[in-house]
Amino acid sequence: DGGITQSPKYLFRKEGQNVTLSCEQNLNHDAMYWYRQDPGQGLRLIYYSQIVNDFQKGDIAEGYSVSREKKESFPLTVTSAQKNPTAFYLCASSSTGGSGNTIYFGEGSWLTVV
Amino acid sequence: GENVEQHPSTLSVQEGDSAVIKCTYSDSASNYFPWYKQELGKGPQLIIDIRSNVGEKKDQRIAVTLNKTAKHFSLHITETQPEDSAVYFCAATTSGSGTYKYIFGTGTRLKVLA
Repeated sequence: DGGITQSPKYLFRKEGQNVTLSCEQNLNHDAMYWYRQDPGQGLRLIYYSQIVNDFQKGDIAEGYSVSREKKESFPLTVTSAQKNPTAFYLCASSSTGGSGNTIYFGEGSWLTVV
Repeated sequence: GENVEQHPSTLSVQEGDSAVIKCTYSDSASNYFPWYKQELGKGPQLIIDIRSNVGEKKDQRIAVTLNKTAKHFSLHITETQPEDSAVYFCAATTSGSGTYKYIFGTGTRLKVLA
């Protein structure tokens, strides 16, 4: 099936640890995104990538890092510098140009600090 | 900066009644307006979208209207059903290659009462 796969669904982080959230898409989309969603809140952009080997900071990039070595993959690392990482993380992707830029989301990953 | 205001934040309707959610955007260059439905613990799903060259679009019980002069757009759900209960997000974006700005509203929690 075509779509965006995020893993793991649930992740627990200890203080001082880095953790990595995986995002894979088979939609052949050039652009990929990471959003953070706090309970009852909207979506805040962490990082986005328009093309392989290139990415830009979003509105809340501090304490996070990404890589884009392959078109279909855009992993997010939550570093120990992120002081309040407990949230729901959403990966998304979209095509560029052409008929439009509809953004499609994965099913999300819950990160909890223990 | 650009923003999208969404109202109301919560909405309760009786089953069978209509629900209307409104969004106002600030960037006059915005020309693509998707709506997403998010169920608890899941990623947002696109339910309908509209482009700036169209004033209204309908898909069964769901419709979206756009007023570019006033810079607002609305989601209309008719004959609501319990399964319509979810959080709904609007977004405004500029489409076309090289631009990747998606501005999301803060969400509306819709409760359909049986």
